[in-house]
Amino acid sequence: AQSVTQLDSQVPVFEEAPVELRCNYSSSVSVYLFWYVQYPNQGLQLLLKYLSGSTLVKGINGFEAEFNKSQTSFHLRKPSVHISDTAEYFCAVSDRETSGSRLTFGEGTQLTVNP
Amino acid sequence: NAGVTQTPKFRILKIGQSMTLQCTQDMNHNYMYWYRQDPGMGLKLIYYSVGAGITDKGEVPNGYNVSRSTTEDFPLRLELAAPSQTSVYFCASSYSTGSYEQYFGPGTRLTVT
Repeated sequence: AQSVTQLDSQVPVFEEAPVELRCNYSSSVSVYLFWYVQYPNQGLQLLLKYLSGSTLVKGINGFEAEFNKSQTSFHLRKPSVHISDTAEYFCAVSDRETSGSRLTFGEGTQLTVNP
Repeated sequence: NAGVTQTPKFRILKIGQSMTLQCTQDMNHNYMYWYRQDPGMGLKLIYYSVGAGITDKGEVPNGYNVSRSTTEDFPLRLELAAPSQTSVYFCASSYSTGSYEQYFGPGTRLTVT
């Protein structure tokens, strides 16, 4: 079984500042890693995912994340945020070794970008 | 493509009433899922389906039922609504599991009073 911990429930930042949203996971097997974003009153959409290869993954809207196997982390970063990045962000994992493995989500981090 | 659609968008139920939340996808995905989202709790999997005629329980299935008679549709049934079922419900679909992206519907906000 896997678990996901998002270390900050709320992150307020000013526009054009850098941001990092932290995600740690626990698993006894290798995993795939995902970040989803949920804009107000909408469903979730995929920002980026790590499957294999380079540990730095680039996603949509200028976001990127780095997989750190030794620290079991997958932190999300953006060098300069916009008001439109205000949303809730979810880290998720799935077990890469079990057929039919399903996503386990973290509890979410609310990013609020202030002018 | 419309993607994943859900109806209704909002619903208020009285305790003990029943209702069905509808979910349809037009991407020919094999896998479909129902999640509930409660504040500060992330998403919890209620039921999922790996294809027409095949469903299985997720993490929080009590009080819910599902069926999957077609690839496109995956309705979620609440038989005896309870206040604990007040939540936002999301349907999602994917081509497969593991590394594959899930596509989410816009959600149904349900209040049970």
